Amino acid sequence: GENVEQHPSTLSVQEGDSAVIKCTYSDSASNYFPWYKQELGKRPQLIIDIRSNVGEKKDQRIAVTLNKTAKHFSLHITETQPEDSAVYFCAARMNRDDKIIFGKGTRLHILP
Amino acid sequence: DGGITQSPKYLFRKEGQNVTLSCEQNLNHDAMYWYRQDPGQGLRLIYYSQIVNDFQKGDIAEGYSVSREKKESFPLTVTSAQKNPTAFYLCASSAGTGAFHEQYFGPGTRLTVT
Repeated sequence: GENVEQHPSTLSVQEGDSAVIKCTYSDSASNYFPWYKQELGKRPQLIIDIRSNVGEKKDQRIAVTLNKTAKHFSLHITETQPEDSAVYFCAARMNRDDKIIFGKGTRLHILP
Repeated sequence: DGGITQSPKYLFRKEGQNVTLSCEQNLNHDAMYWYRQDPGQGLRLIYYSQIVNDFQKGDIAEGYSVSREKKESFPLTVTSAQKNPTAFYLCASSAGTGAFHEQYFGPGTRLTVT
């Protein structure tokens, strides 16, 4: 069945350093890959997304890369700040319907 | 205040009782979704609906039921058949089908069954 694997489950980085979260997906027909950030006690919110016809997308300190051949995509956060501490979810959207499969999440801790 | 709302924020029920969670959106979105969130499990899809009067099972539909009688509303009923109903439930909506539409999430309902 469709599956999205996300690693690591927990990540601690020093403030100012970079953080990388990686995901792989099983369905080669997937065409849309969003990333959500969920702060403690709050709802998930979209922070960046990428479509299958693009290899990389940047938005200020956040970037996402996609390797369709290998079926993996990654989130890169540079110059991390305390407010980046949260749980991050990757997801993949199946081409044939509106179903989005989420990874299990990465808890990111930014250390002072 | 526009967006997607869920009520109540916290819900307590006794084992064996059915309970219905509310989800309403005023975004004029066609698609709506229900997810269950457990610690370390991410977001697991329960049911989703792409259009009024139609819905499909997600990965963990057993013990749950939904209806989509109106575009704005997608209530979820947690039945007594759901073996582990205590969880955080998130509703979401997106603008359309067949395209790259962002999912907007509600604030969630934390259900505790004892």
